[in-house]
Amino acid sequence: DGGITQSPKYLFRKEGQNVTLSCEQNLNHDAMYWYRQDPGQGLRLIYYSQIVNDFQKGDIAEGYSVSREKKESFPLTVTSAQKNPTAFYLCASISSDIYYGYTFGSGTRLTVV
Amino acid sequence: QKEVEQNSGPLSVPEGAIASLNCTYSDRGSQSFFWYRQYSGKSPELIMSIYSNGDKEDGRFTAQLNKASQYVSLLIRDSQPSDSATYLCAASGSARQLTFGSGTQLTVLP
Repeated sequence: DGGITQSPKYLFRKEGQNVTLSCEQNLNHDAMYWYRQDPGQGLRLIYYSQIVNDFQKGDIAEGYSVSREKKESFPLTVTSAQKNPTAFYLCASISSDIYYGYTFGSGTRLTVV
Repeated sequence: QKEVEQNSGPLSVPEGAIASLNCTYSDRGSQSFFWYRQYSGKSPELIMSIYSNGDKEDGRFTAQLNKASQYVSLLIRDSQPSDSATYLCAASGSARQLTFGSGTQLTVLP
């Protein structure tokens, strides 16, 4: 079945540590997105990519980095510069027809310990 | 800053009643609008999309769009306890980005 796989489901980060969240899709979608969700809040855009080897900052990119070396993969690194990384991270993709909206992965819950 | 505002809730309705969820958006360039349902601890799932002014019905769900008023709504008829979730409204922007509202938490009481 086609879909988006995010891993790990839960991730614990120590102070000063970089961690990478994985996002893989087999939907043949060109565009992929990373969102952050804090409790009781909506989704805020971190980074997005419309084609391989190209990506743009979203509204809250500081402290995060991404790469897009393959169409299927869009990993997100949470760096030590991100001072408040505890949140639910969602990866999404969309086809060329926006009518169908985003397909979301199951999310990664990141906690600072 | 493009914004999507939702009635903050939480909203409680009895089982079998109609739940009404509302959303306004600031970007007049938005063309597509979406309602997602999100259960606690889970990722959002798409339940309705709407492009054109007027109503769009799918089963117990009806989405309404009024571009002149920059207003989108979702009606859930014959609400069931399984409809209890947070509902997110989203509006399209450039680069197929979606801007999301903060969500409305709905509880359907048995």
